[in-house]
Amino acid sequence: GAGVSQSPRYKVAKRGQDVALRCDPISGHVSLFWYQQALGQGPEFLTYFQNEAQLDKSGLPSDRFFAERPEGSVSTLKIQRTQQEDSAVYLCASSLRASSNQPQHFGDGTRLSIL
Amino acid sequence: AQSVAQPEDQVNVAEGNPLTVKCTYSVSGNPYLFWYVQYPNRGLQFLLKYITGDNLVKGSYGFEAEFNKSQTSFHLKKPSALVSDSALYFCAVRDGGFQKLVFGTGTRLLVSP
Repeated sequence: GAGVSQSPRYKVAKRGQDVALRCDPISGHVSLFWYQQALGQGPEFLTYFQNEAQLDKSGLPSDRFFAERPEGSVSTLKIQRTQQEDSAVYLCASSLRASSNQPQHFGDGTRLSIL
Repeated sequence: AQSVAQPEDQVNVAEGNPLTVKCTYSVSGNPYLFWYVQYPNRGLQFLLKYITGDNLVKGSYGFEAEFNKSQTSFHLKKPSALVSDSALYFCAVRDGGFQKLVFGTGTRLLVSP
């Protein structure tokens, strides 16, 4: 079956522009996560959804970051008024159930470059 | 707070030799531990997990990991390395009360022919 799909794979934006990153999780997966991976670093948690409910957004670095999953499947991460420090790979992951022992399955990420 | 340490930025090993990639963790509750591998320009692929039970966990592609509670370690191992194992390896921990994964900084494994 299909894995986690993210689009676009690459995004270049000018500082100050708004961007939207899309994640299609594995069909039927209840949990969805967004992570930010800076160059040479491990992924860092941004936010977590269980179905359409955003249960944890403690990792969002500022109020310029916003995520939604309105129908409990596809999710969008939006960054407003982008800044150079937002340049990173944004990874989406999903897991079948809302259980701590479930592995998360990752997409290939969106590489965001802010000029 | 949860944390993971991967003390080695890079591990070099010759093909056919055993490999070990080190990981230590810190959590307040019961640890759920995971290993992932990342190839260039790709996302993370799940290798194996420890939740409870046997301290030796077997995973994908011949990898295994040993959970040691007293040393708070979860080292990744493979008896015989392949050149194709060359990649970036991440250890991650999840505190039982939380959903998010906390990752280490990663260890680059380089297997030479």
